[in-house]
Amino acid sequence: QSVLTQPPSASGTPGQRVTISCSGSTSNIGSNFVYWYQQLPGTAPKLLIYRNNQRPSGVPDRFSGSKSGTSASLAISGLRSEDDGDYYCAAWDDSVRGYLFGTGTKVTVL
Amino acid sequence: EVQLVESGGGLVQPGGSLRLSCAASGFTFSGYWMNWVRQAPGKGLEWVANIKQDGSEKYYVDFVKGRFTISRDNAKKSLFLQMNSLRVEDTAIYYCATGGPSVAFGVDDWGQGTLVTVSS
Repeated sequence: QSVLTQPPSASGTPGQRVTISCSGSTSNIGSNFVYWYQQLPGTAPKLLIYRNNQRPSGVPDRFSGSKSGTSASLAISGLRSEDDGDYYCAAWDDSVRGYLFGTGTKVTVL
Repeated sequence: EVQLVESGGGLVQPGGSLRLSCAASGFTFSGYWMNWVRQAPGKGLEWVANIKQDGSEKYYVDFVKGRFTISRDNAKKSLFLQMNSLRVEDTAIYYCATGGPSVAFGVDDWGQGTLVTVSS
């Protein structure tokens, strides 16, 4: 199966900006929408960004998504302690006919 | 408000079977693709399968093909996952999750998950 590659970790102090990358290929990110999920410790994942850069209602505008070619990124500005958790990108892959999740990035607020 | 409640998890021996269920409410169930996603202990998210609104199309990740079957009952607003020939590596929390109006749309809302443990 194909994978979407993310850095294993990212960190910052409160108030800082953190960016997480997600690298794919033409059959997934290059052709389809990118989604981002937040998973706080001991909880189910939650949708953070849909269709590349849209925020569901209730998600603070500190979270933003972008996509360029076969890569995408999630930015968290004004980092807060409650942002501590795991973040995953995802996209449908036309070649394998499956939904791919990224390898996950653990965000630590120092 | 979208609600997804999974059930049917538990402890099963290698080679055994389990049937997971997901009761949906708060949205037009028959209007959306539906998914199963799993997460092994301490590991990342892994998509398992999805099914079209009318059940006419289904897709599976390679390592469950031939062993797992996804199905749905729109009248009862329910999603199912029949898991046969279970392996130790199938141990995970299994989440029911909504999709979009077409297959290429992503997973939106998630249930709280049901734990499946495959062990002798």
